[in-house]
Amino acid sequence: EPEVTQTPSHQVTQMGQEVILRCVPISNHLYFYWYRQILGQKVEFLVSFYNNEISEKSEIFDDQFSVERPDGSNFTLKIRSTKLEDSAMYFCAMTLAGRTGELFFGEGSRLTVL
Amino acid sequence: RKEVEQDPGPFNVPEGATVAFNCTYSNSASQSFFWYRQDCRKEPKLLMSVYSSGNEDGRFTAQLNRASQYISLLIRDSKLSDSATYLCVVNGKDTGRRALTFGSGTRLQVQP
Repeated sequence: EPEVTQTPSHQVTQMGQEVILRCVPISNHLYFYWYRQILGQKVEFLVSFYNNEISEKSEIFDDQFSVERPDGSNFTLKIRSTKLEDSAMYFCAMTLAGRTGELFFGEGSRLTVL
Repeated sequence: RKEVEQDPGPFNVPEGATVAFNCTYSNSASQSFFWYRQDCRKEPKLLMSVYSSGNEDGRFTAQLNRASQYISLLIRDSKLSDSATYLCVVNGKDTGRRALTFGSGTRLQVQP
């Protein structure tokens, strides 16, 4: 089974600090996603990324969030000024072209904002 | 109405039992349907896609009822290892939207 690698596995930060979460894509996977899951709640879509640009984003993905593939390999999610309510597990996911329902998730990055 | 609604459970069943979960979705234009499985504090993993004609994968059977906008998952001969949260997933608000919408999940606990 393909693996999606995320770093860090856990990050603790102070409110107002910037956080960058990283994801290493699987080759041949074209669509990238970030989802988040607040503890005890459902998995929520944040953003999808294709061909080096955002293709969709949710209401959660406001100006505090940004995504990029700075070097054509790692896929990053940046939160500019973290809030307490940003505490969650952030999952990177990928799919192949034409198979948009078959998401391969990374193990997640747990973000704790104090 | 929630986009994807599931009974949170938990469903506590003995090993060997048959258990069924249902899920309803609000957007009649949804085209794609899936069941994912999520173990405690782990990432979701695709269990199976759900096709209009219904489909089976070993002990798992998925069915779709478009008229009533619900999806079901049947697990036969439950194993201890089936204990997990089962997530009903549909494609999003607009036809062709790639992003998937997840239900809150139904927790299954299989007991020895």
